[in-house]
Amino acid sequence: EVQLVESGGSVARPGGSLRLSCAASGFTLDGYGMTWVRQVPGKGLEWVSGINWNGGSTGYADSVKGRFTISRDNAKNSLYLQMNSLRAEDTALYHCARGYSSGWYGRFDLWGQGTLVTVSS
Amino acid sequence: EIVLTQSPGTLSLSPGERATLSCRASQSVSSNSLAWYQQKPGQAPRLLIYGASSRATGIPDRFSGSGSGTDFTLTISRLEPEDFAVYSCQQYGSSPLTFGGGTKVEIK
Repeated sequence: EVQLVESGGSVARPGGSLRLSCAASGFTLDGYGMTWVRQVPGKGLEWVSGINWNGGSTGYADSVKGRFTISRDNAKNSLYLQMNSLRAEDTALYHCARGYSSGWYGRFDLWGQGTLVTVSS
Repeated sequence: EIVLTQSPGTLSLSPGERATLSCRASQSVSSNSLAWYQQKPGQAPRLLIYGASSRATGIPDRFSGSGSGTDFTLTISRLEPEDFAVYSCQQYGSSPLTFGGGTKVEIK
């Protein structure tokens, strides 16, 4: 089955760090741009970060720039999001999603169910 | 940053009725790079429309997208019970990528 499965979400303190992972199965991640999108429960979707097929190009929302780092390991068929200096407003369900092309711009045709990050003291 | 404003916030309709959802951009969306997604409670978003008017793989033809520039529309010609959900638009023509706030289509 073609799917994306996120992990790594948990409760973190303000100022703390978390690393999210997204494992792809049923297809090869290599060749696809990938992205992270977050959603506060009951609210809209917010794009967080994107990465092209080989990691050579990345993009970030202003709200996370300088604090979050996206990366990928195509050999492990996995995508990552390193989240540092966490803030309460980072609390959300984090989805990884597959882009339709090799770049990180684009529409997303496959989504994971998400992993929940809660930032609270 | 391109801000996408969706209206109405909630649409109350009966099965069989036509649904018309709007997505308005604060500036022109490059190359009509606009997508629509459907999301049901507890589920991941599902791509419906891309390029403003092209249906994604496996999407029924009762879903259609139209528009260009700053004004886009998603139309569901006849609502089926499984269509009651939240619909979001997304522009991917310029960075940062942005989403609209969503329209909830609920059963009247």
